[in-house]
Amino acid sequence: GNSVTQMEGPVTLSEEAFLTINCTYTATGYPSLFWYVQYPGEGLQLLLKATKADDKGSNKGFEATYRKETTSFHLEKGSVQVSDSAVYFCALSPSGVARRSARQLTFGSGTQLTVLP
Amino acid sequence: NAGVTQTPKFQVLKTGQSMTLQCAQDMNHNSMYWYRQDPGMGLRLIYYSASEGTTDKGEVPNGYNVSRLNKREFSLRLESAAPSQTSVYFCASSPTGMETQYFGPGTRLLVL
Repeated sequence: GNSVTQMEGPVTLSEEAFLTINCTYTATGYPSLFWYVQYPGEGLQLLLKATKADDKGSNKGFEATYRKETTSFHLEKGSVQVSDSAVYFCALSPSGVARRSARQLTFGSGTQLTVLP
Repeated sequence: NAGVTQTPKFQVLKTGQSMTLQCAQDMNHNSMYWYRQDPGMGLRLIYYSASEGTTDKGEVPNGYNVSRLNKREFSLRLESAAPSQTSVYFCASSPTGMETQYFGPGTRLLVL
């Protein structure tokens, strides 16, 4: 079956530090890949996504590249801010789903990021 | 637009009690989902509804039932709550065939 593995947290960084959160996946074919972010007390929000190999998703200074050869989708940001403190989830949506079906997401376990001023 | 709304925000139940978690979306989405979030386990899909009138089991459906009341509303029912159902429950919606899901703020449930 499909699965997503994220690096264990929590991660604590100082403001302006470089961030990497690792994500690898297991799936057949070419799934779509996502990063969702959950701020304290809120629901999940889509941060970025990539739908095919070598695509780069980017948003709010975050980036992730879809690497088929290593089945990875690592999240990076060059300079984190205190406001980036949140839980980050990597997720996949399988390929080959009928067009009119609901697209199920498989989530990783989440990585808690705390950025200190 | 309110997006996806959930009620209640927080609930405490005793073992064996029943309750219904409500979810509504105003984005005219066809597909809706219920997840539970537990520490260290990410989100796991309980049930989903691809369109009005259809529902399907997800990864962890045991102990739950759902109703897709209309296009806007998708409720989750616990008939006889158990401590193992203590969790945070999220509802989400998406347009037909689209992958991006939009989440509600969650319901925190404690079963004693």
